[in-house]
Amino acid sequence: LAKTTQPISMDSYEGQEVNITCSHNNIATNDYITWYQQFPSQGPRFIIQGYKTKVTNEVASLFIPADRKSSTLSLPRVSLSDTAVYYCLVGDMGSGGGADGLTFGKGTHLIIQP
Amino acid sequence: EAQVTQNPRYLITVTGKKLTVTCSQNMNHEYMSWYRQDPGLGLRQIYYSMNVEVTDKGDVPEGYKVSRKEKRNFPLILESPSPNQTSLYFCASSFLMGQVPMGEHEQYFGPGTRLTVT
Repeated sequence: LAKTTQPISMDSYEGQEVNITCSHNNIATNDYITWYQQFPSQGPRFIIQGYKTKVTNEVASLFIPADRKSSTLSLPRVSLSDTAVYYCLVGDMGSGGGADGLTFGKGTHLIIQP
Repeated sequence: EAQVTQNPRYLITVTGKKLTVTCSQNMNHEYMSWYRQDPGLGLRQIYYSMNVEVTDKGDVPEGYKVSRKEKRNFPLILESPSPNQTSLYFCASSFLMGQVPMGEHEQYFGPGTRLTVT
């Protein structure tokens, strides 16, 4: 399993763009990068997933450099409701070779202020 | 509605009294998993299952058992609960990689079960 490293916490303000970077130096060829969001006392919720380059959906963008040893989740124009814990996961999730369990780690606590 | 359900949502029990937390999903997912979440430790995986009758240990399996006799159900069993198993538990399910398009492989989480062992 590729281990991930994220900042423990980040602060920003409403309307700003927030970028959260995750390091995963030993990512394997078959590994995907997935980000989840979690609010207190709720289960994590999928945000975005990618393998390389850039992925964008209606809520976020994911930037992955060519060496794939890091990734950056970008949240455009955040609001107070984006205050949550964000987890970066790296793994192949059952590609056939025997799925390793996914490790969420401690995540990044993002606090958005007015 | 596609969902993962867990029961009970809240449980207070005593040391040594066997308990089962049920988990069920209606999305025909092969992969199911149990996590526990404790303050300052994030989410840690207990057990996972890639299909019926196929289970494997996660990061913190000690003191827990699971079974996967049906595709939709993945109960978590605590044979002899102890206070250090007081935690918030989440069940999750997903398709296996390769069964959905790239970028769409996600785990769906249940609402959580808050367990207190005294």
